[in-house]
Amino acid sequence: AQTVTQSQPEMSVQEAETVTLSCTYDTSESDYYLFWYKQPPSRQMILVIRQEAYKQQNATENRFSVNFQKAAKSFSLKISDSQLGDAAMYFCAYRSGDGGSQGNLIFGKGTKLSVKP
Amino acid sequence: EPEVTQTPSHQVTQMGQEVILRCVPISNHLYFYWYRQILGQKVEFLVSFYNNEISEKSEIFDDQFSVERPDGSNFTLKIRSTKLEDSAMYFCASSLGYAGTDTQYFGPGTRLTVL
Repeated sequence: AQTVTQSQPEMSVQEAETVTLSCTYDTSESDYYLFWYKQPPSRQMILVIRQEAYKQQNATENRFSVNFQKAAKSFSLKISDSQLGDAAMYFCAYRSGDGGSQGNLIFGKGTKLSVKP
Repeated sequence: EPEVTQTPSHQVTQMGQEVILRCVPISNHLYFYWYRQILGQKVEFLVSFYNNEISEKSEIFDDQFSVERPDGSNFTLKIRSTKLEDSAMYFCASSLGYAGTDTQYFGPGTRLTVL
């Protein structure tokens, strides 16, 4: 079974600085997707970024980028120029590839990010 | 921007009672999901639903649980006889397709408290 581990329950960053959130996963599959979801205090989870395992290039969405290390099964999220609105719980998630039947997301426990003004 | 909505935001019930949690997925989405998050724990998958049938379910989704799309807009999760351990945040999600590139959009959740 696949598992997702986020080893940092809480992180803190100064506004305008850069922070990296860690995520590791375990799988025997070669085809899968990885995600970072953000859950602000209002509690609606929002997709931040997605990475397809078959793509070597790291995904980037504006200030958010990932460091995808497939061999190490590591998928970290880097937030550049942190803003107060980035304060949230961040969840790393795994999904099997499209060839399989498992379309559900498997989540890590989350990392609570605080942004200091 | 279209959103997934859920009602109620908080439900308190007595152990053994039936509860129905309601969700309105995004209108053109075809795949629907329920997840739950026990306080301090991971978000866990319960069930996925497509074309009026369950597509997948986890081992958590036992006979106490059922899902239904009673009309063209609502998607419900019923817990037949609640237990204390059912206390959790329940999230509904929907997606247009089933591929990994189809984003699952989440609702704000329903906090279920079983006394």
